[in-house]
Amino acid sequence: GAVVSQHPSWVICKSGTSVKIECRSLDFQATTMFWYRQFPKQSLMLMATSNEGSKATYEQGVEKDKFLINHASLTLSTLTVTSAHPEDSSFYICSAGTGTRFSYEQYFGPGTRLTVT
Amino acid sequence: QKEVEQDPGPLSVPEGAIVSLNCTYSNSAFQYFMWYRQYSRKGPELLMYTYSSGNKEDGRFTAQVDKSSKYISLFIRDSQPSDSATYLCAMKNAGGTSYGKLTFGQGTILTVHP
Repeated sequence: GAVVSQHPSWVICKSGTSVKIECRSLDFQATTMFWYRQFPKQSLMLMATSNEGSKATYEQGVEKDKFLINHASLTLSTLTVTSAHPEDSSFYICSAGTGTRFSYEQYFGPGTRLTVT
Repeated sequence: QKEVEQDPGPLSVPEGAIVSLNCTYSNSAFQYFMWYRQYSRKGPELLMYTYSSGNKEDGRFTAQVDKSSKYISLFIRDSQPSDSATYLCAMKNAGGTSYGKLTFGQGTILTVHP
């Protein structure tokens, strides 16, 4: 149980185009979904937190107009990288959280590798 | 100063060795502590989840938390080549609207050679 999927697993796009990444919780309903970014040999950096039906909360320094997050249902969240540039090339990982304040776990997706040429 | 400090390694050990991975933190609000394992180009996988100070054991893995010293550890006994991965510590607050938000350490790259 507690499986999170991401699609696509790897995408290459040209500079200036937009890319959408999907994150799905397959066997549970996620109260919250999180989007992370990871550069090679570095740790995960939280980009934004989203709850179903409400606007995402972005971390300081993350451009909300560039990284559009939509949390359409309790099992699906999408991250759209708009007008992508080579510096946006990175490994994007989502996670889905479930539980209560005192018993809460986060399950991570397998990640999406974005390469912008 | 980062909220969570973790030695990035890399750490290389022979098969069968005991591995010790450590993190220190500065934020007293952190109440929940996790260890994740991440293989190359994969998402992190939860290994251990602890709340109280003390030890928690699961198979070859033991998580240790010392809240008074703000120090957590993960021990791997009888290490195997399949344990070769990056190990990330993560922590979160107990309450507030951001109770799900995790703060990660830098990750330690571990290689177990046969």
